[in-house]
Amino acid sequence: GAVVSQHPSWVICKSGTSVKIECRSLDFQATTMFWYRQFPKKSLMLMATSNEGSKATYEQGVEKDKFLINHASLTLSTLTVTSAHPEDSSFYICSASGLRYEQYFGPGTRLTVT
Amino acid sequence: KQEVTQIPAALSVPEGENLVLNCSFTDSAIYNLQWFRQDPGKGLTSLLLIQSSQREQTSGRLNASLDKSSGRSTLYIAASQPGDSATYLCAASTQGGSEKLVFGKGTKLTVNP
Repeated sequence: GAVVSQHPSWVICKSGTSVKIECRSLDFQATTMFWYRQFPKKSLMLMATSNEGSKATYEQGVEKDKFLINHASLTLSTLTVTSAHPEDSSFYICSASGLRYEQYFGPGTRLTVT
Repeated sequence: KQEVTQIPAALSVPEGENLVLNCSFTDSAIYNLQWFRQDPGKGLTSLLLIQSSQREQTSGRLNASLDKSSGRSTLYIAASQPGDSATYLCAASTQGGSEKLVFGKGTKLTVNP
């Protein structure tokens, strides 16, 4: 149990376009979902925390207008990178937590902006 | 502000060796501490979760300990195998409930056959 999926697993887009990444909890209801970003040889950095039906809470330094997060249901959260630039190229990972507060991570999405 | 440090950054051992990975955190008011495994280009696989009230957790060849007073956790891997090669991350949850995880940079483990 406790499986989290992400789609797509990788995406290449041109600079200036927007990209949407989906995160789904497949076999449990996630009260909270988290979005992380990981640069090569760096630690995972939390970008934002989202609860179903409410606005996401962004970490300091993360532009909320650039990284749009929607948590429409207890099993789905989306991250949209708007007007992507090459510096947004990174590995984006979501996680979901249920009643036990343990976070279960998705397989990640590799974004490359050309 | 919680900071998590992992030492060493990389470790290479021969197959069969027992090894210890270290994790330290600056704020002892943690809710839980988790150890994860990450294979190259992949997401995270949860290995062990230790609640703040616990001192250790075991799963197969893995044993994780937690010492809140000293701000340390260790992950012990017994009889290492080439398949254990991966990056191991520890993360501390500093607030009650499903709150933020602060990650270390990880230890890249290579087990040589």
